[in-house]
Amino acid sequence: EPEVTQTPSHQVTQMGQEVILRCVPISNHLYFYWYRQILGQKVEFLVSFYNNEISEKSEIFDDQFSVERPDGSNFTLKIRSTKLEDSAMYFCASRDTYYEQYFGPGTRLTVT
Amino acid sequence: GQNIDQPTEMTATEGAIVQINCTYQTSGFNGLFWYQQHAGEAPTFLSYNVLDGLEEKGRFSSFLSRSKGYSYLLLKELQMKDSASYLCAVRAGGGNKLTFGTGTQLKVEL
Repeated sequence: EPEVTQTPSHQVTQMGQEVILRCVPISNHLYFYWYRQILGQKVEFLVSFYNNEISEKSEIFDDQFSVERPDGSNFTLKIRSTKLEDSAMYFCASRDTYYEQYFGPGTRLTVT
Repeated sequence: GQNIDQPTEMTATEGAIVQINCTYQTSGFNGLFWYQQHAGEAPTFLSYNVLDGLEEKGRFSSFLSRSKGYSYLLLKELQMKDSASYLCAVRAGGGNKLTFGTGTQLKVEL
């Protein structure tokens, strides 16, 4: 069964450093999403992406965040200058024309 | 904005039935989703309702009342592996983002 994959599974970085989280959505999917979940809290929407542009973003997704689909398979989330409060599990999700969003296994980001 | 409420924790016995409720307040409602999330893992899709009524899928059923802003997830013949967090999520407006509740942590006991 096709699945969303994410790398790395765990990323440790120092405050102020840039990180890039990578996702490979399911191959025939057209809509892509990033969510995050701070430990013990709810899953929060960050951004959605369709047709090579951002279709919607939350208040969390400020100028420090960017997304890119550099080729036909990868979908990346970049955080330019990480803060302690960026520590969270980051989930990538994708869907085709139907409603169900398939989530990847997540990247645990720890900012020290 | 959107407001989604669900109980924080529930405990049930193996083999029993449990109902997890979710209430929501939103404008432009466009669908309600239930996801299961085991600790440290990704949410996995369980069910989707956009019209009033009951959707059944094996041991899992989900109900929606749009007029009441209410949904429930019904789990039958509970198994130990059903111990997990159950997330209610709403899609609203023209976009497709999901807004999640805080989740209900279900513990299944012998």
